[in-house]
Amino acid sequence: ELKVEQNPLFLSMQEGKNYTIYCNYSTTSDRLYWYRQDPGKSLESLFVLLSNGAVKQEGRLMASLDTKARLSTLHITAAVHDLSATYFCAVLPTNTGNQFYFGTGTSLTVIP
Amino acid sequence: DAMVIQNPRYQVTQFGKPVTLSCSQTLNHNVMYWYQQKSSQAPKLLFHYYDKDFNNEADTPDNFQSRRPNTSFCFLDIRSPGLGDAAMYLCATSRDGAGLGELFFGEGSRLTVL
Repeated sequence: ELKVEQNPLFLSMQEGKNYTIYCNYSTTSDRLYWYRQDPGKSLESLFVLLSNGAVKQEGRLMASLDTKARLSTLHITAAVHDLSATYFCAVLPTNTGNQFYFGTGTSLTVIP
Repeated sequence: DAMVIQNPRYQVTQFGKPVTLSCSQTLNHNVMYWYQQKSSQAPKLLFHYYDKDFNNEADTPDNFQSRRPNTSFCFLDIRSPGLGDAAMYLCATSRDGAGLGELFFGEGSRLTVL
């Protein structure tokens, strides 16, 4: 059974602090996606990682992909309240068509 | 410039009364997906279309059906909604093959079952 696990599931952090969210998956893939979801809203695309060693940065968020370890990270630098949301990773397995598998989600709360 | 449009945004129905949710896209993507998302959970894939080819997930209840009359439109039919079907329903598209392969989501349709 394919699994995509995120750690932690819940994260409460103070403004200005750094933290990393981890996404582990159990299948062969070189395509990993990060999405943000605000309460009651749809999913917004944050990063698309398409190869081993890929690193993308946008503002205070940086995502990386290690396909050998089957691990992606989402690093938060100097958190601000506006980053409070739920973050999902999603994997597109190799050679299995068009089915995306979502992680369990990480609910982030940034405390002023 | 909305690219994936879902209607209605909010739907209230009675137990057992059929519901249809619609999704349209202007991206000309050949793959369209329907996800169900319940509170504090990850999106759960119900089914997807690759062009006109329908792909049903093994654990999607028979109560859920879908139609894709053309490239731009896709419908989710819930034949007899139960209380457990109350959720956000998300439509998404992607372009198969070349490109980033990422999912583009609509705003979602929130279903309430009374």
